[in-house]
Amino acid sequence: DIVVTQSPDSLAVSLGERATINCKSSQSVLYSSDNNNYLAWYQQKPGQPPKLLIYWASIRESGVPDRFSGSGSGTDFTLTISSLQAEDVAVYFCQQYYSTPYTFGQGTKLEI
Amino acid sequence: EVQLLESGGGLVQPGGSLRLSCAASGFTFSRYAMAWVRQAPGKGLEWVSAISGDGDSTFYAGSVRGRFTISRDNSKNTLYLQMNSLRIDDTAVYYCGKVQGSIVGANDYWGQGTLVTVSS
Repeated sequence: DIVVTQSPDSLAVSLGERATINCKSSQSVLYSSDNNNYLAWYQQKPGQPPKLLIYWASIRESGVPDRFSGSGSGTDFTLTISSLQAEDVAVYFCQQYYSTPYTFGQGTKLEI
Repeated sequence: EVQLLESGGGLVQPGGSLRLSCAASGFTFSRYAMAWVRQAPGKGLEWVSAISGDGDSTFYAGSVRGRFTISRDNSKNTLYLQMNSLRIDDTAVYYCGKVQGSIVGANDYWGQGTLVTVSS
């Protein structure tokens, strides 16, 4: 199984500042035949289901504010929130969907 | 508007069985793979199982393989998860998720979840 590890486990950032969350997979999730990284980022607020933010490692889902961006390739990935807003307080998860089981990272709790 | 509505959760004793359902609407159900993801109280997300759009391919996490069975009825736009030999550590909120593709992809829509509690 691919192990996905996020860092840090929790993060406190001031309003308007940049937040950076890292995600590392135990093996590459870059599929050579289509040159896509099979990695997604989700946001989960208390009492709600997860919400898809980013897929193929860097493609923003429709309706997601452009302050959210994803980058990286192979085994190392980053979710960046360029200017933190109060509504961004949540737990963030990355997930690889390169091979089953489609494992999630343990989550990063983002606070103000 | 895509909607996913889970049902079937509840309290069950260890060793018991439960069948979850996920009623889908707002998209062409048969064109997309579907998945189950669970979240134990206060814990992270755990991918449980997935099924291709045509239902021919199924995938399971090691923790549930041999005990859980995923299936779908494309004529009823409904996804199922049959859970047998339930254990205390199966206690979780179970979410169904629509997959972006017919076989693989991120989960772009999620239901609100149904709580399964395994306890004596």
